[in-house]
Amino acid sequence: GQNIDQPTEMTATEGAIVQINCTYQTSGFNGLFWYQQHAGEAPTFLSYNVLDGLEEKGRFSSFLSRSKGYSYLLLKELQMKDSASYLCAVKDSNYQLIWGAGTKLIIKP
Amino acid sequence: IAGITQAPTSQILAAGRRMTLRCTQDMRHNAMYWYRQDLGLGLRLIHYSNTAGTTGKGEVPDGYSVSRANTDDFPLTLASAVPSQTSVYFCASSELAENTEAFFGQGTRLTVV
Repeated sequence: GQNIDQPTEMTATEGAIVQINCTYQTSGFNGLFWYQQHAGEAPTFLSYNVLDGLEEKGRFSSFLSRSKGYSYLLLKELQMKDSASYLCAVKDSNYQLIWGAGTKLIIKP
Repeated sequence: IAGITQAPTSQILAAGRRMTLRCTQDMRHNAMYWYRQDLGLGLRLIHYSNTAGTTGKGEVPDGYSVSRANTDDFPLTLASAVPSQTSVYFCASSELAENTEAFFGQGTRLTVV
């Protein structure tokens, strides 16, 4: 079966750095996505990786290792507004997104 | 403002009733999707449409139907609602099914009692 695993909840301090991991097992791979979802709101796109390596976008970076079925989202200089759930998703061989359950990130002052 | 709009925002529905959730996008995206999101679970695909006139079943299609008569609209119908269909429903669209990011509507919170 297809499976996306990520931690249920993480806590970090304002101004610090946090890494959210995601491992996947899917039938085929056509890219990995990270989305941010604030409570009660819709998911919004953060990043897309299709090749191995690090993609940097401001305070957020995303890393992919296809051979290991592994990705992480790195958030730097954490701000209170970064408190949200972070969703990892993989496009499978049918170009359908398979979603992890999300990691709830709690930022403390 | 371009985007994707869902209606209603929330609804309480009696079991056994029929209900259509509406979704409209004005981005001329080819692909559209319906997901449900339940606590502790990832988004699960109900139905999808890669282009106007075509639809496909996702991971959890039972009890739901969709149509895609044109590019902009992708309604989701619950023929006879059951309490297990209580969920938050998100409609999404992407330019192409193959590789681009998906844009989400604001969601419909549905409670079946």
